[in-house]
Amino acid sequence: GQSLEQPSEVTAVEGAIVQINCTYQTSGFYGLSWYQQHDGGAPTFLSYNALDGLEETGRFSSFLSRSDSYGYLLLQELQMKDSASYFCAVRDRDYGGSQGNLIFGKGTKLSVKP
Amino acid sequence: GAVVSQHPSRVICKSGTSVKIECRSLDFQATTMFWYRQFPKQSLMLMATSNEGSKATYEQGVEKDKFLINHASLTLSTLTVTSAHPEDSSFYICSAPVQGNQPQHFGDGTRLSIL
Repeated sequence: GQSLEQPSEVTAVEGAIVQINCTYQTSGFYGLSWYQQHDGGAPTFLSYNALDGLEETGRFSSFLSRSDSYGYLLLQELQMKDSASYFCAVRDRDYGGSQGNLIFGKGTKLSVKP
Repeated sequence: GAVVSQHPSRVICKSGTSVKIECRSLDFQATTMFWYRQFPKQSLMLMATSNEGSKATYEQGVEKDKFLINHASLTLSTLTVTSAHPEDSSFYICSAPVQGNQPQHFGDGTRLSIL
C-alpha cells in the first residue's frame, strides 16, 4: 500500500532548530511537498523537492533522498507562531503533465514553548 | 495572496440538506482540481479529482452519487454534498496546481456541520 510515516508530535523551545522526518512508500514518486496547517485552517504550502538535495526558503529547509525514500523539513529559529501541524505529501501520479494527486502523511504536531 | 478561493468557509445545516461548495482558481486556469476531506486530528484524504470537461475521478470508497462534482469551467469546480447526514460533517478542502509540476495550492477549506 501507499504510506508516509512521520512523527506524531514534536516539542521544542523558541529559537531552537527542529527536524521533522518523513519516509514514504508509494507506487510512484513525483516529488515531496511539505505543508503547514494551523488549527482550523487550511494547509499552506511550505516547500517542494523533486530532486535529491536541500531546498532552502528562509527559516525553512527541506531535504530529499530518493534512494532512501526519505525527506525532512528543518525549521530554524523557531517562533511561537510555528506551532502547527506539518504534513509531508507525495505526488504519486503524473496526469500527463498536470499535477497528480497528493498522498499525505498523518501530520506532525509541533508545539513551540517559550 | 491566495491563488485558490473556496466558499463558503463554514456551513451549518440540518440533516437531509444538500450543500454546494465552490472552488475557484484565481488568475490561472485549472483543468484539474482536487477535493480532500479532513476529519478532526486526521490527515487529508483525497476524495476525488475534478476534471474540466469530463467526469470526476473518485477515490475508492467515495460515493459518487453523494458527492457530486462539476468542473464547469477552467476556473471553477463545485462539490455538492447531497442529502447530508451528521457523519458527513468534516473539513472539505479543494486544491489546484498552479502550473505544470508546481505543487498544489489549497483553498481555505469549508467546515461542514450537519445537525
